[in-house]
Amino acid sequence: AQKITQTQPGMFVQEKEAVTLDCTYDTSDQSYGLFWYKQPSSGEMIFLIYQGSYDEQNATEGRYSLNFQKARKSANLVISASQLGDSAMYFCAMRELLDQTGANNLFFGTGTRLTVIP
Amino acid sequence: DARVTQTPRHKVTEMGQEVTMRCQPILGHNTVFWYRQTMMQGLELLAYFRNRAPLDDSGMPKDRFSAEMPDATLATLKIQPSEPRDSAVYFCASGLAQSIAKNIQYFGAGTRLSVL
Repeated sequence: AQKITQTQPGMFVQEKEAVTLDCTYDTSDQSYGLFWYKQPSSGEMIFLIYQGSYDEQNATEGRYSLNFQKARKSANLVISASQLGDSAMYFCAMRELLDQTGANNLFFGTGTRLTVIP
Repeated sequence: DARVTQTPRHKVTEMGQEVTMRCQPILGHNTVFWYRQTMMQGLELLAYFRNRAPLDDSGMPKDRFSAEMPDATLATLKIQPSEPRDSAVYFCASGLAQSIAKNIQYFGAGTRLSVL
């Protein structure tokens, strides 16, 4: 079964507007983590934001915020005030624990390509 | 600015040749991961090291792939012999595993491999 689902292959947003990228996940673990990564055309994977399953507050990092709805198993990324440099692929990922030290594998979604229009 | 360093960034080789990809994890990190990214399969975990010991390489084709960490500053992924289906971007990521909590994996820029 797919652990991470990103249903939007591509999204467009006007510069300076906000955009929401959807992510739903599937796990039976009580403790898990959700991540968003950005992959620009240059290819590197850039960590953006993290949300722990026990965190009561939605995570925020600058213009990025994570809309975490645990009951719905969704972890949508909200980018406010979009900039041209935000054009990239965005991957949602869920942490699966590999061992008790906390090291983990990340299950990635298929990604959403965001294009910011001037 | 600490970052994971991967070399080479690009590699073009012929089928049957040996390929070695290198990764320098972030200083102080004790876990290293190798991922492969393809259009068809997305990102897949190949191997995982903790404190230089291989703990999981179930995602790796054993007959041709091997992963090692000769020391704490170097991880290698070798393919011998390489095949066209190995063409992909290979990412190395490192992290600090201290507790079952926030545990971020930081990725290198990747090695884009093309096997002709």
